[in-house]
Amino acid sequence: AQTVTQSQPEMSVQEAETVTLSCTYDTSENNYYLFWYKQPPSRQMILVIRQEAYKQQNATENRFSVNFQKAAKSFSLKISDSQLGDTAMYFCAFTTIQGAQKLVFGQGTRLTINP
Amino acid sequence: ETGVTQSPTHLIKTRGQQVTLRCSSQSGHNTVSWYQQALGQGPQFIFQYYREEENGRGNFPPRFSGLQFPNYSSELNVNALELDDSALYLCASSPKRTGGEAFFGQGTRLTVV
Repeated sequence: AQTVTQSQPEMSVQEAETVTLSCTYDTSENNYYLFWYKQPPSRQMILVIRQEAYKQQNATENRFSVNFQKAAKSFSLKISDSQLGDTAMYFCAFTTIQGAQKLVFGQGTRLTINP
Repeated sequence: ETGVTQSPTHLIKTRGQQVTLRCSSQSGHNTVSWYQQALGQGPQFIFQYYREEENGRGNFPPRFSGLQFPNYSSELNVNALELDDSALYLCASSPKRTGGEAFFGQGTRLTVV
């Protein structure tokens, strides 16, 4: 069974700082997708960034980038120049390429950006 | 293009009752998945529907059931509600059955008293 672990329940940084959220996962699959989702108080899960396991290059979306270490089964999210609107719960999630579109989520990290 | 919409947004039910939650998938998406998110937890996969058939199920009892309609909208039904069923229920739609990203609705907050 696949599992996703986020070891940082809460983090807090000042606006404009850089912050890194950690995620590790466990799977016997070789091909899969990894995601970071953001859940603000509005409750809607918003996709932040996606990484295909077969791609060696780390994904980047504007201020958001990942450090994907396949051998270590690690998938961290770096947020540069953090903004007040980045305050939210962040979830790391995993899904296989085969089978149902089943996302396995971590427990989440509550990120607070302070002015 | 409309996103994923869920109704109702909030609901209060009594233990033992039955509830139906609804989800309209994003235009062009034929796959709908349902998740249960307890307070302070990550979402847990309930099941997925692809072209009107159940296509995968998580570790939930049979009193959790669903439907998908020809327009790809979906319902989640929960019978014999228990207090532990209190949670945020999220619907997600995808443009394909496997892999790729899921697009979520704003959820239905169910409280069982």
